[in-house]
Amino acid sequence: NAGVTQTPKFRVLKTGQSMTLLCAQDMNHEYMYWYRQDPGMGLRLIHYSVGEGTTAKGEVPDGYNVSRLKKQNFLLGLESAAPSQTSVYFCASSPRTSGANTGELFFGEGSRLTVL
Amino acid sequence: AQKVTQAQTEISVVEKEDVTLDCVYETRDTTYYLFWYKQPPSGELVFLIRRNSFDEQNEISGRYSWNFQKSTSSFNFTITASQVVDSAVYFCALNPYSGGYQKVTFGIGTKLQVIP
Repeated sequence: NAGVTQTPKFRVLKTGQSMTLLCAQDMNHEYMYWYRQDPGMGLRLIHYSVGEGTTAKGEVPDGYNVSRLKKQNFLLGLESAAPSQTSVYFCASSPRTSGANTGELFFGEGSRLTVL
Repeated sequence: AQKVTQAQTEISVVEKEDVTLDCVYETRDTTYYLFWYKQPPSGELVFLIRRNSFDEQNEISGRYSWNFQKSTSSFNFTITASQVVDSAVYFCALNPYSGGYQKVTFGIGTKLQVIP
């Protein structure tokens, strides 16, 4: 009963290093999302994907890239990490709904990233 | 543009007290969904409830109840006889009834501490 799985759970980077966060879901959901959570800011959408091979920018996309080569996976990349990217990152997925948009998101457990 | 305001950033109550978490939203959409999510200290985000804009009936689930008032654009969450396990950050969220990709807007969260 995995649901949404994120790896790694924790990572410390130095400024300028690159890394990739992996999100995998086993619910056959069409939509996947990457959020970041910062104190006093709530959850902000970085990028999202409405299907395999498609991605789009969210509210705070700068400094991040994403790819969705397979339906079940959504990767978030930091090409040159900056201290401002220190945050907790959440992946989420949701099913395609016909007509009604129920909006329930299924979240991973989060990945805590520190950039020194 | 849509907005979710959770004016209470932190609340402390003594165990067994009742507590209400406020949520006020703004949207130009006439139909939409409202949500509450719970984030316990372990960090994961847990879906609690969904309410659509057509349904203003209050809902009760055990010690939890939700009061949706369209006239005041509020969707408040009450915990009756609070317990230590209720200590968490609670997020209110809004999603337009647009189908497909879930364009969810989150509030900044209310941190609830229940003191034994």
